[in-house]
Amino acid sequence: DAGVTQSPTHLIKTRGQHVTLRCSPISGHKSVSWYQQVLGQGPQFIFQYYEKEERGRGNFPDRFSARQFPNYSSELNVNALLLGDSALYLCASSDLAGGHYEQYFGPGTRLTVT
Amino acid sequence: GESVGLHLPTLSVQEGDNSIINCAYSNSASDYFIWYKQESGKGPQFIIDIRSNMDKRQGQRVTVLLNKTVKHLSLQIAATQPGDSAVYFCAENSGTYKYIFGTGTRLKVLA
Repeated sequence: DAGVTQSPTHLIKTRGQHVTLRCSPISGHKSVSWYQQVLGQGPQFIFQYYEKEERGRGNFPDRFSARQFPNYSSELNVNALLLGDSALYLCASSDLAGGHYEQYFGPGTRLTVT
Repeated sequence: GESVGLHLPTLSVQEGDNSIINCAYSNSASDYFIWYKQESGKGPQFIIDIRSNMDKRQGQRVTVLLNKTVKHLSLQIAATQPGDSAVYFCAENSGTYKYIFGTGTRLKVLA
């Protein structure tokens, strides 16, 4: 069985540019969460989507947006990139939304902003 | 690959010894906890979880202990192996949509 997949693996962008990251959850999972992991820290919650609706948002600026498609895959968009957006972006899937359910993470997309 | 947690607290243990990794969580309303293992260049991997109505849960070579009084969680790894070398995170949830992760501990297994 395929796990959570993310693309691209690595990405280099310039300040001010826009980026789109993609995630495909485990087959049958309807919930996708996005996390940002800065080097040396634990992952920080950005968004959760369930059944194509946003269920929660972390403390990130409006430059960050996401959406979930009918096949439950998801995109994370970041506009007007800043140097501080350089991080590993992780996608996690689960079969239900909310707490008390195991989340399974993808390998992440390493974004470098120069 | 990329290194995770360059400035994290480090626990060094001899191969074959038991490891204990600790985590202090922040929210007294948190009622579900997960331990994750993250190897360099990879996403976090689920190890074991525990709900707040339990104080101990065992898996294969791993045990999680929960002390709600002092908001403390620990992960015990028996007979630590070189493949256990990684960064370990605890994550807490209070029944909402988001998990809050701790800062992580790097485990180094010495041959």
